[in-house]
Amino acid sequence: GQNIDQPTEMTATEGAIVQINCTYQTSGFNGLFWYQQHAGEAPTFLSYNVLDGLEEKGRFSSFLSRSKGYSYLLLKELQMKDSASYLCAVRDQDYPFIWGAGTKLIIKP
Amino acid sequence: IAGITQAPTSQILAAGRRMTLRCTQDMRHNAMYWYRQDLGLGLRLIHYSNTAGTTGKGEVPDGYSVSRANTDDFPLTLASAVPSQTSVYFCASSDGEGAVNEQFFGPGTRLTVL
Repeated sequence: GQNIDQPTEMTATEGAIVQINCTYQTSGFNGLFWYQQHAGEAPTFLSYNVLDGLEEKGRFSSFLSRSKGYSYLLLKELQMKDSASYLCAVRDQDYPFIWGAGTKLIIKP
Repeated sequence: IAGITQAPTSQILAAGRRMTLRCTQDMRHNAMYWYRQDLGLGLRLIHYSNTAGTTGKGEVPDGYSVSRANTDDFPLTLASAVPSQTSVYFCASSDGEGAVNEQFFGPGTRLTVL
């Protein structure tokens, strides 16, 4: 079957580093996406991985291991504005997108 | 227009009424999608269209219909609204080509069915 799991909620401190994990099961993997969604707003695209390894984009990095069905999003130098939900999504060859329920990240001063 | 627009922004609807949520994009994207987002459940795909003239069913299509007469517009219709259709509805699009092909989202429509 197709499934994505990620933690429901995480708390971190301003200035620190946080890692949000995502595990997935899909029959025809064709890319993994991370989106950020602030409360009351639409999701916005953060990162994309299709090959194993780390993709770095400023303070955000995303890692993929296809053999383990695993990805993480790493946020460095946390800022209060990073308080949001982070959505993991997988594109399957036979289905547009499969979405996780999202991880709500709470940043404390 | 820049990106994707949705209308209305919010709506309160009596059960049994018919409602059409509008979605328009100006990016000439081939693919468009309708999602509903409910607390704790994440985004669930209702219907999608890979190109103008074609549509497909997503995870939760019952009670909803779509049409794709042209590239830019992808309306979602609730034929007879029920309270379980209370949700936030997002329209999205992607170019359908290229390596990344990420989805771009509209601002959403908050629908309450009483």
